[in-house]
Amino acid sequence: EAGVAQSPRYKIIEKRQSVAFWCNPISGHATLYWYQQILGQGPKLLIQFQNNGVVDDSQLPKDRFSAERLKGVDSTLKIQPAKLEDSAVYLCASSLNAADTQYFGPGTRLTVL
Amino acid sequence: LAKTTQPISMDSYEGQEVNITCSHNNIATNDYITWYQQFPSQGPRFIIQGYKTKVTNEVASLFIPADRKSSTLSLPRVSLSDTAVYYCLVVPQTGANNLFFGTGTRLTVIP
Repeated sequence: EAGVAQSPRYKIIEKRQSVAFWCNPISGHATLYWYQQILGQGPKLLIQFQNNGVVDDSQLPKDRFSAERLKGVDSTLKIQPAKLEDSAVYLCASSLNAADTQYFGPGTRLTVL
Repeated sequence: LAKTTQPISMDSYEGQEVNITCSHNNIATNDYITWYQQFPSQGPRFIIQGYKTKVTNEVASLFIPADRKSSTLSLPRVSLSDTAVYYCLVVPQTGANNLFFGTGTRLTVIP
């Protein structure tokens, strides 16, 4: 079974630029998560989708971050404009449903200069 | 959500058994205890989950006392490849809207 796919794996941008990350969850998984992991810290949930609806986006900085999962399958996370403090690894995870084990992708490492 | 407390780091020699203890004093009746492992440049990977007493799988054992206010992840005979960060999480049975990973325990296995 294919795992969670993410692209790109690495991205370097300058502050105030825009960036987008893509995630394709495991087939059949209804729940999709985006996490931000700053170096030396544990992952922090940004947003959780159940199919194409948002369940929790309480920790998403909505002035600059946005995410969508229009068809309830793959998802994109966008940052516009980026700040230096956005440098982190962005992890996507999926689970069969909200109460089930989460499976993580390899992450996208973002560096903002 | 119940937060967890675990040691920041541990060292162990190859071949030893490693026990990582996690405190979760505010755990609720319907919460499960779940452990994830994270290698550098990878996403976290599920290791084991339990509710009470003892759970064992091919990778680890999880010991949970009767009051459930703590849990211990036991890794038998660690090897260099077990060097990773281990996260203890408390997950509601109905599913968590905001899993709290904390900083985890960085295990270093020494040859």
